[in-house]
Amino acid sequence: GAVVSQHPSWVICKSGTSVKIECRSLDFQATTMFWYRQFPKQSLMLMATSNEGSKATYEQGVEKDKFLINHASLTLSTLTVTSAHPEDSSFYICSAAGTSNYGYTFGSGTRLTVV
Amino acid sequence: QQQVKQSPQSLIVQKGGISIINCAYENTAFDYFPWYQQFPGKGPALLIAIRPDVSEKKEGRFTISFNKSAKQFSLHIMDSQPGDSATYFCAASGSNYKLTFGKGTLLTVNP
Repeated sequence: GAVVSQHPSWVICKSGTSVKIECRSLDFQATTMFWYRQFPKQSLMLMATSNEGSKATYEQGVEKDKFLINHASLTLSTLTVTSAHPEDSSFYICSAAGTSNYGYTFGSGTRLTVV
Repeated sequence: QQQVKQSPQSLIVQKGGISIINCAYENTAFDYFPWYQQFPGKGPALLIAIRPDVSEKKEGRFTISFNKSAKQFSLHIMDSQPGDSATYFCAASGSNYKLTFGKGTLLTVNP
């Protein structure tokens, strides 16, 4: 089946530094990738949608200059949290959709802790 | 505006019992309705999904019932097991492929 690999699974960084999270589709070409944020005991909130080779589309209220998304190839998307602050601490999850209709596969998530 | 309403927030079921989680949607443009299972510290995993052209879909112990006129769909877990204890999310999407999630249901299956 479709597999999405997300790395790292957890990261701790100092306030003011930047962190990059990778999301790779291992056995299919992901035409669209989505990035979500999830706070404890809450649902997934869509942050942005990215299509290969084009700029990401951000949801309302998400700072595009803070959460940089790059989708340079059909198998890789990255989310960079720039100048991270403690309030950015959260669980970040990517998902990838291939060419088949509505074929979403989620990564295993990245727990970001900013200290 | 919450487009997908999920209930209950939490559910406790005895082993062997039936777990039922309900969702209601508002956007009639939605045409794909998946259910996801999420364990702590992990990403969601697709359990089962349905499109509005069928009223029911069954895969193993998991069944989705779909009522298009009422704009409701539900997940039934038969013979619930302690290993089913997790958070379950319903979701919906349309032609833009964006998933809108319900708020989740924390299921606990007691042995």
